[in-house]
Amino acid sequence: RKEVEQDPGPFNVPEGATVAFNCTYSNSASQSFFWYRQDCRKEPKLLMSVYSSGNEDGRFTAQLNRASQYISLLIRDSKLSDSATYLCVVNERNRDDKIIFGKGTRLHILP
Amino acid sequence: EAQVTQNPRYLITVTGKKLTVTCSQNMNHEYMSWYRQDPGLGLRQIYYSMNVEVTDKGDVPEGYKVSRKEKRNFPLILESPSPNQTSLYFCASSSGGSSGNTIYFGEGSWLTVV
Repeated sequence: RKEVEQDPGPFNVPEGATVAFNCTYSNSASQSFFWYRQDCRKEPKLLMSVYSSGNEDGRFTAQLNRASQYISLLIRDSKLSDSATYLCVVNERNRDDKIIFGKGTRLHILP
Repeated sequence: EAQVTQNPRYLITVTGKKLTVTCSQNMNHEYMSWYRQDPGLGLRQIYYSMNVEVTDKGDVPEGYKVSRKEKRNFPLILESPSPNQTSLYFCASSSGGSSGNTIYFGEGSWLTVV
């Protein structure tokens, strides 16, 4: 099983719709979780951290399920500007703070 | 403004000609890292550094060298570039050894080896 797995997509979603995607991780000792956003040919940028209690930032909601070892990202009322690749990032504290990036999920918001 | 700066942003070079990609951060971060990104393979870590004079191999270190003589700088060296090192390279930095802290990326360096 790969360390961090994401559905590569692309997810083609009409503007205004709600879209959600998950990311699974294999190391149960993983400590920190993040979602990064990467636009085409640009550097990744932090979208949001994922806390055990879940967190929400405007139209974006991130959740962590430790029992099933996955994190999720929900985007409500999607905008054209949400089109990007979303990277799942997992920090494994027990391996020299190893940071593992998922390969990303591509999202296309359609007008 | 907090930033990670890498140069050059775009480079076409020939096989075997040594090159260095510089990386500098102005946030006093201890942790710095280099990644390469290739289609279908995502971000792969080349080398990382937890602090000055401390460097470690990532997942794909072959063909690369790094140094960390100063906290702010973390250059990536390709002693003898080969075509399979054609890629998009990102330098990144983070505070506190990266644990749970935001990773800041440079804008990327597009390298083509012919």
